[in-house]
Amino acid sequence: SQTIHQWPATLVQPVGSPLSLECTVEGTSNPNLYWYRQAAGRGLQLLFYSVGIGQISSEVPQNLSASRPQDRQFILSSKKLLLSDSGFYLCAWGTGGAEAFFGQGTRLTVV
Amino acid sequence: DQQVKQNSPSLSVQEGRISILNCDYTNSMFDYFLWYKKYPAEGPTFLISISSIKDKNEDGRFTVFLNKSAKHLSLHIVPSQPGDSAVYFCAASYTGNQFYFGTGTSLTVIP
Repeated sequence: SQTIHQWPATLVQPVGSPLSLECTVEGTSNPNLYWYRQAAGRGLQLLFYSVGIGQISSEVPQNLSASRPQDRQFILSSKKLLLSDSGFYLCAWGTGGAEAFFGQGTRLTVV
Repeated sequence: DQQVKQNSPSLSVQEGRISILNCDYTNSMFDYFLWYKKYPAEGPTFLISISSIKDKNEDGRFTVFLNKSAKHLSLHIVPSQPGDSAVYFCAASYTGNQFYFGTGTSLTVIP
């Protein structure tokens, strides 16, 4: 069966520090991968999605970037965190044409 | 621009009664619609979906209705149970590669 791992579960980082959140999927090949952020009043906002290695599409301009170095690995990064980057980040995978499955999320607090 | 909207941020229902959660969308290209349930500090879990070629899909206590002409879908939970208390997100997709989520409705089922 397919599983998705996302870590860490919680993270407290100072303003200006770098960020790296990792997401891996097991039990499937060539999945679509997604990064979402849950923000108050905006639901689940799609940040990035990837349909293959090295293929990243960005939905909103921001202080974040994403990379997909391997088929089942998706990384969310920032060189310098802002206070406004605080939020609940969710990784998800899908196969196209059907539902997406989410990880447990990372609560990021920038202080 | 929010392409998927849930205009009711919260809903309270008595146990045993029907819960009706509503969702509206603006993009007529959407052809697949989903409902997710989310508990605090967890990733959303898939609940039920419907393709645009159907107007109803039922799974146990959960039924999703789609009105394409009105660009409206709804989730009916009958009978509602206290364990159904959570935030419900509707989502829409038109390529199977991107999912756009609403802002969520917090459902409270009162025992």
